[in-house]
Amino acid sequence: GEDVEQSLFLSVREGDSSVINCTYTDSSSTYLYWYKQEPGAGLQLLTYIFSNMDMKQDQRLTVLLNKKDKHLSLRIADTQTGDSAIYFCAERGNNQGGKLIFGQGTELSVKP
Amino acid sequence: NAGVTQTPKFQVLKTGQSMTLQCAQDMNHEYMSWYRQDPGMGLRLIHYSVGAGITDQGEVPNGYNVSRSTTEDFPLRLLSAAPSQTSVYFCASSTSGSNNEQFFGPGTRLTVL
Repeated sequence: GEDVEQSLFLSVREGDSSVINCTYTDSSSTYLYWYKQEPGAGLQLLTYIFSNMDMKQDQRLTVLLNKKDKHLSLRIADTQTGDSAIYFCAERGNNQGGKLIFGQGTELSVKP
Repeated sequence: NAGVTQTPKFQVLKTGQSMTLQCAQDMNHEYMSWYRQDPGMGLRLIHYSVGAGITDQGEVPNGYNVSRSTTEDFPLRLLSAAPSQTSVYFCASSTSGSNNEQFFGPGTRLTVL
């Protein structure tokens, strides 16, 4: 079945770059997403990439997609303490209604 | 727009009790879904709906019922609560178009004793 995998924790120093990785199994994925969850809150969409792209940049965020290896990454440049949160990778297959499959989430801790 | 709202925010139940978690959206979204979030397991899809009158099972549907009588509302019912249903529950909605960003509610934290 469809599966999305992420490492559970990442710790970086303020000002460094963070790279959060994700692998998925569904080769028919059309869109891949990164969501951010701050403590006690719901999920907010950070960015997404369509499967025919290999890179997307949005201010401090860079998404890289390696479709051959089914690998997605999120790079946060100049990481700030406010970036501390759980980051979820999600993929949407070629299905009706846009059902999403989520990874386990990566908890990013930014130390001053 | 209020977006996606969920009630209650917190709930404690005893084993065997039933209850309904409410979810409403005012964005006229066709697609609505319920997820549960457990530590180290991400979000798992319980049930979803692609429009009023249409529901389908997700990954972990056992012990839960849903209905979609209107576009706006998508309640989740726990028929006989079990400790394994202790979790944080999120409702989400989206359009059913190509890039359908899902909008999430704030969550309901449920504890079953």
